[in-house]
Amino acid sequence: EPEVTQTPSHQVTQMGQEVILRCVPISNHLYFYWYRQILGQKVEFLVSFYNNEISEKSEIFDDQFSVERPDGSNFTLKIRSTKLEDSAMYFCASSDTLTGLHNEQFFGPGTRLTVL
Amino acid sequence: EDQVTQSPEALRLQEGESSSLNCSYTVSGLRGLFWYRQDPGKGPEFLFTLYSAGEEKEKERLKATLTKKESFLHITAPKPEDSATYLCAVQARQRAQKLVFGQGTRLTINP
Repeated sequence: EPEVTQTPSHQVTQMGQEVILRCVPISNHLYFYWYRQILGQKVEFLVSFYNNEISEKSEIFDDQFSVERPDGSNFTLKIRSTKLEDSAMYFCASSDTLTGLHNEQFFGPGTRLTVL
Repeated sequence: EDQVTQSPEALRLQEGESSSLNCSYTVSGLRGLFWYRQDPGKGPEFLFTLYSAGEEKEKERLKATLTKKESFLHITAPKPEDSATYLCAVQARQRAQKLVFGQGTRLTINP
């Protein structure tokens, strides 16, 4: 069964450093998302991406964040200068449609980011 | 602002003891309501999508229902492997990409 994969599973970094989180969405999906979950809190939407551009973003997704689809399979989230409060589980998701009866988003296993 | 509230926060049941989880929502035009299962340290696993009031979906011991203000996830004769956090999320018509999640219900099934 196709699935979303993410690497690394755990990333430890120093405050102020740049990190890149990587995702391989399900191969025939067209819509890609990043969410995050701070320990003990709700899953929060960060950004959605379609046709090589951001289609929606939350207030959390400020200038320190960027997304890219560098090739036909990978989807990345970059945090330019990490802060302590960026420590969280980051989930990538994908869906094959935006509307209609099959717009469910499928999530990857997550990358745990720890900022020291 | 779209909001999702789930209750109870935690629920402990004996194996075979049926119960229901609640998801109350406010959204400006519902496109869909989604149920996910999340195991510790893992990503949300898709269970159901509901689109309109009165709709029901079933999968093994789980049944999801939807009204105009809330959704229920009914668990019939649960087993220990059903232990997980169950997440509810809504998607609004105007913001079709974004899922707004509740805080989840942590379900524990004791053998």
